[in-house]
Amino acid sequence: AQSVAQPEDQVNVAEGNPLTVKCTYSVSGNPYLFWYVQYPNRGLQFLLKYITGDNLVKGSYGFEAEFNKSQTSFHLKKPSALVSDSALYFCAVRAFSGSARQLTFGSGTQLTVLP
Amino acid sequence: EAGVAQSPRYKIIEKRQSVAFWCNPISGHATLYWYQQILGQGPKLLIQFQNNGVVDDSQLPKDRFSAERLKGVDSTLKIQPAKLEDSAVYLCASSLEVGGTVMTYEQYFGPGTRLTVT
Repeated sequence: AQSVAQPEDQVNVAEGNPLTVKCTYSVSGNPYLFWYVQYPNRGLQFLLKYITGDNLVKGSYGFEAEFNKSQTSFHLKKPSALVSDSALYFCAVRAFSGSARQLTFGSGTQLTVLP
Repeated sequence: EAGVAQSPRYKIIEKRQSVAFWCNPISGHATLYWYQQILGQGPKLLIQFQNNGVVDDSQLPKDRFSAERLKGVDSTLKIQPAKLEDSAVYLCASSLEVGGTVMTYEQYFGPGTRLTVT
């Protein structure tokens, strides 16, 4: 069975500092990996995805994520955090092949950027 | 383009009552998903449709939950009878994915329906 772990329930960072939100995954075979963001009372918004190719993936709003196959990680990063980045972030994984089609989400990490 | 539409946005019912949620996906998206998001958890897939056929309903509690997508466009999720543990946000999502052989398409989510069962 595939799974996603987001080890930090809460991440606090000062505005202007770099931020990292951690994600590790478990899946049979090669993974498809996604990051979504959720603002209060709104649905999830797609940020970025890793399918294949370059391990560093760039997405919306200046976010990027680094795929590390040996560590089975897909950490979300941003060089300089904004107060408006404060939200709930979800990592998700899907198997590359096989019968598992489900997108499995982590439990989420609440990011707070302090002014 | 218009996003995924859901209604109602909020619903409060008593246990053992029934409730229905409606979703209209992005135009042209063949695949539609219903997720349940309990407070403090990530979304969990309940059911996936491709056009008007069910692809995956392995996590749908079929004794009380049902869903349909009759014309391959909008969809309805029903709970009957509701239990206290059904209190959650119900999210609808859609994607361009067709056939299951290409799974690279991201899913687009609606704003959700927050259900409170008392």
